This record gives sequence, structure tokens and C-alpha cells, in this order.
Amino acid sequence: AQSVTQPDIHITVSEGASLELRCNYSYGATPYLFWYVQSPGQGLQLLLKYFSGDTLVQGIKGFEAEFKRSQSSFNLRKPSVHWSDAAEYFCAVGADSGGGADGLTFGKGTHLIIQP
Amino acid sequence: KAGVTQTPRYLIKTRGQQVTLSCSPISGHRSVSWYQQTPGQGLQFLFEYFSETQRNKGNFPGRFSGRQFSNSRSEMNVSTLELGDSALYLCASSLEGLAGVDEQFFGPGTRLTVL
Repeated sequence: AQSVTQPDIHITVSEGASLELRCNYSYGATPYLFWYVQSPGQGLQLLLKYFSGDTLVQGIKGFEAEFKRSQSSFNLRKPSVHWSDAAEYFCAVGADSGGGADGLTFGKGTHLIIQP
Repeated sequence: KAGVTQTPRYLIKTRGQQVTLSCSPISGHRSVSWYQQTPGQGLQFLFEYFSETQRNKGNFPGRFSGRQFSNSRSEMNVSTLELGDSALYLCASSLEGLAGVDEQFFGPGTRLTVL
């Protein structure tokens, strides 16, 4: 079964500074990787996804993520954060287990705080 | 195009009761998945429906069930509610793909409180 680890429960970043949120996954084959963002009282919004191909993927709102197979990581980055980026960020892994899938497996999330 | 809608948004029940939550997917989407979100366990996959059939199921007891109608709308039911069922229940839809593979669009969730 797949699993996802987000080592940082909380991260505080100054507005305008760069951001990197860590995500490590465990899965035997090539995973389907996602980053979602959740603002208070709202559902999840997809930021970006990786299925195959170029290991650097671009998403919405200026986010990007890099898939590193050797490190089993899929870290999310943004060069300059805005106060509106304050939210909960979830890394997720999906799998196509040969005819079926087990839904998304989510990490516990990273709460991003933006300092003015 | 309207997003995924869930009703009701908030619900308060007492232990032992049952509850039904509703989800309307994005128009044209045929796959609907349900997730439970709690502070302790995080986001967990409940089940996925496609063409009125349960295609996948997570590791939840049989008290949790669901169904999907011919118009792709879905309902989930929790019987004999327990305090631990208090959670945000999220519905997600996708075009046709498997829940762990295809891009999913999430609704705002139903906040269930069990007293």
C-alpha cells in the first residue's frame, strides 16, 4: 500500500520569501502524485499533478513541484509567497493497481503561515 | 460550469442515529469519490462510485455505505453513528478515471458533528 509523509506540520514564511514544502511517498511502481491546497472552510483545490514525463511540473498560482524518484520525493515550491497562500497543503499519491485503484492517499498536511 | 456541490453543509446528529449526505458532481463527470477528514486521521478514502457501481472501497466499517444514481449524483450513508464519525466529509468527482489516477475536483464538504 502507498503512503505519504509530510514532515513539516507547520511552516512560517515571510511574505515575498520563497517556499518549499516537503513530501515523501512510498509506492512500488511509478506513482501518480498530487498537491492540493485547502483554505479554511473550503474543499481541496488541485495545485498540480505528476503522472509521467518531465519531472518538473508547473501548477496554478505560481507553484511548481519536482519529482525525484531516487529520493521518493515530490516537493512543492514557490519563488515568492503571497499572504493569500496561507492555507493547508496536502500531498497525495494515487495508484493504478492493475484494474483498480485505491483512491488518493494523503499526507497529514502542512499548515502554511505567512508573516507580513 | 458549476462545481461539485454537497448538501447539507452542516449536520448535527446524536449517537446511534443514521445520516445521509448528498453530492452532485460536475456536469459530465461520472466518477464520484468520498473522503473523511478528521484532525487525528487526516484525509481518508471511503469509496468510489462509477456508473452506479462501487468501484473501490477504503478501510471503513460496513456502517459506511454509498450509492450512485443514473445522473451520477451520489449519496453516502452512515448508520449507527459514533462520536468518532464526527468529521468533514468530502466528495470529489472526476470524468471517468480511477480515483487515484484521474484529476479529482472536490466539493466544500459536509461538516458532521455527532453528539
